[in-house]
Amino acid sequence: AQRVTQPEKLLSVFKGAPVELKCNYSYSGSPELFWYVQYSRQRLQLLLRHISRESIKGFTADLNKGETSFHLKKPFAQEEDSAMYYCALYFRDFNKFYFGSGTKLNVKP
Amino acid sequence: GAGVSQSPSNKVTEKGKDVELRCDPISGHTALYWYRQSLGQGLEFLIYFQGNSAPDKSGLPSDRFSAERTGGSVSTLTIQRTQQEDSAVYLCASNPTSGGFYEQYFGPGTRLTVT
Repeated sequence: AQRVTQPEKLLSVFKGAPVELKCNYSYSGSPELFWYVQYSRQRLQLLLRHISRESIKGFTADLNKGETSFHLKKPFAQEEDSAMYYCALYFRDFNKFYFGSGTKLNVKP
Repeated sequence: GAGVSQSPSNKVTEKGKDVELRCDPISGHTALYWYRQSLGQGLEFLIYFQGNSAPDKSGLPSDRFSAERTGGSVSTLTIQRTQQEDSAVYLCASNPTSGGFYEQYFGPGTRLTVT
């Protein structure tokens, strides 16, 4: 069963426009959710985790348990935000991470 | 401290040959994953090791793929009789499973090209 769904493979926005990368999950327990980012020629790295309620590089993500979503948002996209973004769920019952298929964000000048 | 390391960073092989890819996880991390990233595609889960438990091999695409983890540390992914569709970046990741605050750490990947 698909645990993490990222419906968009590619998202293109203009610089300065708002951006929202969608993530939905399926898990009946208390989820632990993350966003990872992979910039060109760099390794995958953690961007933010929901439990920290933090804003990193202007990005935020709010856990909506009712909609089982954890969308990543930024009010004003920058060209340097262009990267591959992955949503991930840590399934504590099985000590296992599940990743979505990723969304490629392209911020145009 | 040292992160997850992988070797080789690049591997070019001929179709039909066997290859071995190595992953050194962060010391003390009991969980280790292998993923595959094909050109322009997302992450594809391959196999997962957790401590002394039997590995979760549900993501291995064929019986040409196998992996082992010796001593709960280093892992080797072996691809036998390589095919051109095996060309991809193979990523290794590890994370702790105790201590309460889990984050998966990724290696730089091995780029495999099958000619």
